[in-house]
Amino acid sequence: AQSVTQLGSHVSVSEGALVLLRCNYSSSVPPYLFWYVQYPNQGLQLLLKYTTGATLVKGINGFEAEFKKSETSFHLTKPSAHMSDAAEYFCAVSDGPYQLIWGAGTKLIIKP
Amino acid sequence: NAGVTQTPKFRVLKTGQSMTLLCAQDMNHEYMYWYRQDPGMGLRLIHYSVGEGTTAKGEVPDGYNVSRLKKQNFLLGLESAAPSQTSVYFCASSGGGQVNEQFFGPGTRLTVL
Repeated sequence: AQSVTQLGSHVSVSEGALVLLRCNYSSSVPPYLFWYVQYPNQGLQLLLKYTTGATLVKGINGFEAEFKKSETSFHLTKPSAHMSDAAEYFCAVSDGPYQLIWGAGTKLIIKP
Repeated sequence: NAGVTQTPKFRVLKTGQSMTLLCAQDMNHEYMYWYRQDPGMGLRLIHYSVGEGTTAKGEVPDGYNVSRLKKQNFLLGLESAAPSQTSVYFCASSGGGQVNEQFFGPGTRLTVL
């Protein structure tokens, strides 16, 4: 069975610092990987996705993620954190054509 | 386009009461989903539908029923609400296929007293 692990339920960074949110997956087939963001009291919106091709994927709001097959990882990064990045971030992997397998989420806290 | 909409946004029920949550999408998506979100537990799939007139159980289906009578609508029912069903409920839709990118509604916050 496929699974997704997000390391750290909460990550705190200072404004202007590097953001690194970790995601590891297990999959028996080439994965399709997603990062979603949830701002307070809102639904989830797609930040970026990896399907095929280039392993470095760029998303909205300056975020990017790199697919590393050898490490089964899809970590999310942003060079410089902004206060507006405070949100919960979810990593997910496709499980066949119908479903996504979700990580437990990581809350990103930005310190002024 | 409105995307995915959910009604109501908030609801308070007493134990044993029933209610229906409505999800609507205007993207002509085949697949629709109901999730619940609880603190520290991420998203858990309740039921999903791969087309009009079809439904299937997800990870946590007990205590819920669903119907997909029209392609654009997906209803989630609680026949006899319990405090354990206090949660935030999200509906999502997808065009399907291997990539299966899902689009989410704004959520319904349900409290069962």
